[in-house]
Amino acid sequence: AQSVTQPDIHITVSEGASLELRCNYSYGATPYLFWYVQSPGQGLQLLLKYFSGDTLVQGIKGFEAEFKRSQSSFNLRKPSVHWSDAAEYFCVGRGSTLGRLYFGRGTQLTVWP
Amino acid sequence: DADVTQTPRNRITKTGKRIMLECSQTKGHDRMYWYRQDPGLGLRLIYYSFDVKDINKGEISDGYSVSRQAQAKFSLSLESAIPNQTALYFCATSDFLAGEGGTDTQYFGPGTRLTVL
Repeated sequence: AQSVTQPDIHITVSEGASLELRCNYSYGATPYLFWYVQSPGQGLQLLLKYFSGDTLVQGIKGFEAEFKRSQSSFNLRKPSVHWSDAAEYFCVGRGSTLGRLYFGRGTQLTVWP
Repeated sequence: DADVTQTPRNRITKTGKRIMLECSQTKGHDRMYWYRQDPGLGLRLIYYSFDVKDINKGEISDGYSVSRQAQAKFSLSLESAIPNQTALYFCATSDFLAGEGGTDTQYFGPGTRLTVL
């Protein structure tokens, strides 16, 4: 079955520290993978997406993610976190059924000043 | 994303009432979706529509119905609301591009918070 797993429910980092949010996927073929961010009271904003090609994907707000087929992972990274990055982050996959997205349960990021 | 709007943004209603949530988009996308979000569960798909004449059930369609009035409008109805339909509801649109293998990236509205008492 197609699925996306985010192992960390909640992560806390200090402002200026580096960040890595984990995501694992389970698909038969190469998936289409996305990271979305949801700020409090807001909708979901697309950070970046991977379909094919270069496995290191650059996104908005200084985020990047790396697709690793051997580990079935698509981890999100940022070298220096800002207080405004505090939000919930969702890893999302799209499999063979067009339009059908598989959401991870989300990782809540808290940033300490 | 300001190109996808949802009304109302907040709604409190009582058990048994009929409720309609509306979604409009100016992105020119053919595909539209309704999701609900519950804490710790991510988003789950209720219904989706690939064009005005195409409506499909998602993973949790029971208790819901939809209407695609136009390319830009997709409404979600709760015929007889119940408390476990209390959730945050999101509308989304996507930009399927056949020439690029179907990127189908989805763009979300700001959400409607629905409380059923």
